[in-house]
Amino acid sequence: DTEVTQTPKHLVMGMTNKKSLKCEQHMGHRAMYWYKQKAKKPPELMFVYSYEKLSINESVPSRFSPECPNSSLLNLHLHALQPEDSALYLCASSHPLRGRNTDTQYFGPGTRLTVL
Amino acid sequence: GENVEQHPSTLSVQEGDSAVIKCTYSDSASNYFPWYKQELGKRPQLIIDIRSNVGEKKDQRIAVTLNKTAKHFSLHITETQPEDSAVYFCAARVLTGGGNKLTFGTGTQLKVEL
Repeated sequence: DTEVTQTPKHLVMGMTNKKSLKCEQHMGHRAMYWYKQKAKKPPELMFVYSYEKLSINESVPSRFSPECPNSSLLNLHLHALQPEDSALYLCASSHPLRGRNTDTQYFGPGTRLTVL
Repeated sequence: GENVEQHPSTLSVQEGDSAVIKCTYSDSASNYFPWYKQELGKRPQLIIDIRSNVGEKKDQRIAVTLNKTAKHFSLHITETQPEDSAVYFCAARVLTGGGNKLTFGTGTQLKVEL
């Protein structure tokens, strides 16, 4: 399996809702990432998990809460979002394996989020 | 932090012509430079990458060159085809204490016309 999967594909939520985005990979990667991508813009890094521990938080507002329950799963919990948070949320994964540096990040198809 | 500039923002070529997209980066510690292709509504897909110990890499119609001294790298697509039409992003990677951090360029919309 050489794919990163994400659910749901589309999500519409109100500003008072709580929802979660899910990401899964079975490539044995031990680094997983959340990116936010606005229309016609590049992906912007939000969080990095390395060996199931949060290693990078790019000063993301607390209404976004990541979680890495195990080495294959990555969640992004959403609460009290604003309309400007509407975007494509991309998950990615990569190595490293311990003692070895490999670089390629593989992206999932994304969740298209609309906040009303 | 790292800053990646990408030019041009849009590029139109005739089918069969070559296309060149250029990027510059700011952090001399960056050591890995991937290129992603993103079709409308799809995920970014890696098309080629280069590491800082290599000056050039080629894969069929696609090639990437890297000039570490000048801190710039370029994507070259030869014999363009309509299916090459997409947005192309360059990126630069810095290994930080927290891990593997990619900074993307602003993207180039490539249109290959028949």
